[in-house]
Amino acid sequence: IAGITQAPTSQILAAGRRMTLRCTQDMRHNAMYWYRQDLGLGLRLIHYSNTAGTTGKGEVPDGYSVSRANTDDFPLTLASAVPSQTSVYFCASSDGQSSYNEQFFGPGTRLTVL
Amino acid sequence: GNSVTQMEGPVTLSEEAFLTINCTYTATGYPSLFWYVQYPGEGLQLLLKATKADDKGSNKGFEATYRKETTSFHLEKGSVQVSDSAVYFCALCPLNRDDKIIFGKGTRLHILP
Repeated sequence: IAGITQAPTSQILAAGRRMTLRCTQDMRHNAMYWYRQDLGLGLRLIHYSNTAGTTGKGEVPDGYSVSRANTDDFPLTLASAVPSQTSVYFCASSDGQSSYNEQFFGPGTRLTVL
Repeated sequence: GNSVTQMEGPVTLSEEAFLTINCTYTATGYPSLFWYVQYPGEGLQLLLKATKADDKGSNKGFEATYRKETTSFHLEKGSVQVSDSAVYFCALCPLNRDDKIIFGKGTRLHILP
């Protein structure tokens, strides 16, 4: 069982470029999440999806978009990357919409925007 | 609003020392409380949780007790090992199930052999 996979593992990107971070889970979880992790700021929620076909904004959604065409995939797109989006990005999923349920995290994508 | 405050790191201890990582929270009602751990190069994983006052969560020798009177959920371990070196996140899930989990900023723990 793979759990959650993310791709790429790391990426260096020029400012202004478009980038999509991929996230796939094989646990048939309803809810999925994207976080960014920055030193001194901890984890901040970017976007979430309670179920396939729906998405919602988290704490720091500006500059990012998501889609949830099916249960397994939850890609995160940076339409025009800026240096402040340099961060480590984690995808997570949980069985059910409630945050009472354990979240399972992917290994992360380290993104550097120059 | 809801928030989580945990002690700043890094925390450096010798192997077999006693560990406490403090966590306090602010929330309406009685949220569920969690500790997640992030080992180097990995994503977070749930370490333990408690869903109501006076509950004690435990796993891998770690414990935390939900203290309503002090709004705290301190993480403890009696004898740490080098393999416990990681970043530890305290988190809460608000009473309103439509609200999302809130993470603390994390505490980095270094265990010296």
